[in-house]
Amino acid sequence: DTGVSQNPRHKITKRGQNVTFRCDPISEHNRLYWYRQTLGQGPEFLTYFQNEAQLEKSRLLSDRFSAERPKGSFSTLEIQRTEQGDSAMYLCASNVQGVDEKLFFGSGTQLSVL
Amino acid sequence: DAKTTQPTSMDCAEGRAANLPCNHSTISGNEYVYWYRQIHSQGPQYIIHGLKNNETNEMASLIITEDRKSSTLILPHATLRDTAVYYCIARAWAAGNKLTFGGGTRVLVKP
Repeated sequence: DTGVSQNPRHKITKRGQNVTFRCDPISEHNRLYWYRQTLGQGPEFLTYFQNEAQLEKSRLLSDRFSAERPKGSFSTLEIQRTEQGDSAMYLCASNVQGVDEKLFFGSGTQLSVL
Repeated sequence: DAKTTQPTSMDCAEGRAANLPCNHSTISGNEYVYWYRQIHSQGPQYIIHGLKNNETNEMASLIITEDRKSSTLILPHATLRDTAVYYCIARAWAAGNKLTFGGGTRVLVKP
């Protein structure tokens, strides 16, 4: 068990650029979650997958955000035309449905939009 | 998920027990109480959860009142590495998806 891995750890970009983050869940975990956390706040749910199917999206996930999990393993979160308000920590978590409902989180990707 | 209320911050002395309260007065019968913590620059880490009985594991103990309207997380011998934000969450088992985090309690363990 190597834990949930997220890359990159830090990303600095200019407003208007596109960015993509990657999350590798714990192997055999069929559920994968994305959260966003701004300074001083608790994490906010964005979306989750069960295998390759995206089952729920928060209204926080604007049209500029897209997440994929094409083979039911790793996932990517892309933000198009970034805005300064997108600056946050993006966290990924995974678990196994119905076996252990606790979530295992990665260390996150810190995005700074200049 | 039922709303939970926690103090914004608290200090405790190294080596002493830390008692972290959480109010969840509107919790429903099928909602568990979960505790996570987040150490600076890391993702949240699961600590413990329970429904109505008190629970203990290697990290902490969870005491839930008989009416289930509040609970207390106990760190029996706080260390400096326990300095973190602690989140109390009420969630139905197998709700399938998201945890709803509040603001949590910022705990500072002092030498």
